[in-house]
Amino acid sequence: AQSVTQPDIHITVSEGASLELRCNYSYGATPYLFWYVQSPGQGLQLLLKYFSGDTLVQGIKGFEAEFKRSQSSFNLRKPSVHWSDAAEYFCAVAVNRDDKIIFGKGTRLHILP
Amino acid sequence: DAGITQSPRYKITETGRQVTLMCHQTWSHSYMFWYRQDLGHGLRLIYYSAAADITDKGEVPDGYVVSRSKTENFPLTLESATRSQTSVYFCASEGLAGGPGTDTQYFGPGTRLTVL
Repeated sequence: AQSVTQPDIHITVSEGASLELRCNYSYGATPYLFWYVQSPGQGLQLLLKYFSGDTLVQGIKGFEAEFKRSQSSFNLRKPSVHWSDAAEYFCAVAVNRDDKIIFGKGTRLHILP
Repeated sequence: DAGITQSPRYKITETGRQVTLMCHQTWSHSYMFWYRQDLGHGLRLIYYSAAADITDKGEVPDGYVVSRSKTENFPLTLESATRSQTSVYFCASEGLAGGPGTDTQYFGPGTRLTVL
């Protein structure tokens, strides 16, 4: 069965610094990949998604993610974080168009002033 | 109000009681989902529905019942609540194009359920 791993439970970065959140998936073919953000006490919001085509995907709020087939990864990046980016981030995968989304366990991002 | 709503937002109940969590969306999305979120487990899919009167089990369906008599509503019932069902429950909906996982899932604000 497909799975998704977020190896970092917590990440702390300084405001203005760059950010990279890691995500690895387990599946032989190319899955559908997503990143969601959850602010405290809120539901999840989609940041970006990858289905096919260009492996560098642009999302909302200045985020981007790069799909690397050779590494089975879909890492989320942002060049300069803002205090409002403090939240929990979830990577997710779906195997095909008729399959359900499987979420990783999340990475909580803390921002230092 | 447009969007996806959940009620109640907070619920405290006792072991053995029946509890129903409501989910309503105004987009006429075909797909709807119920997840539970627990520390250390992330989000886990309980049930989902591809359309009215069509439901299917997710990863952790035991102890839950769903129905979908109308496209816009997808209630989740705990028939006999247990302490292990204490969690935050999220409902989500997704458009028809391409099936689940290919469009954007929109999440409700969540229901925090405590079972004593």
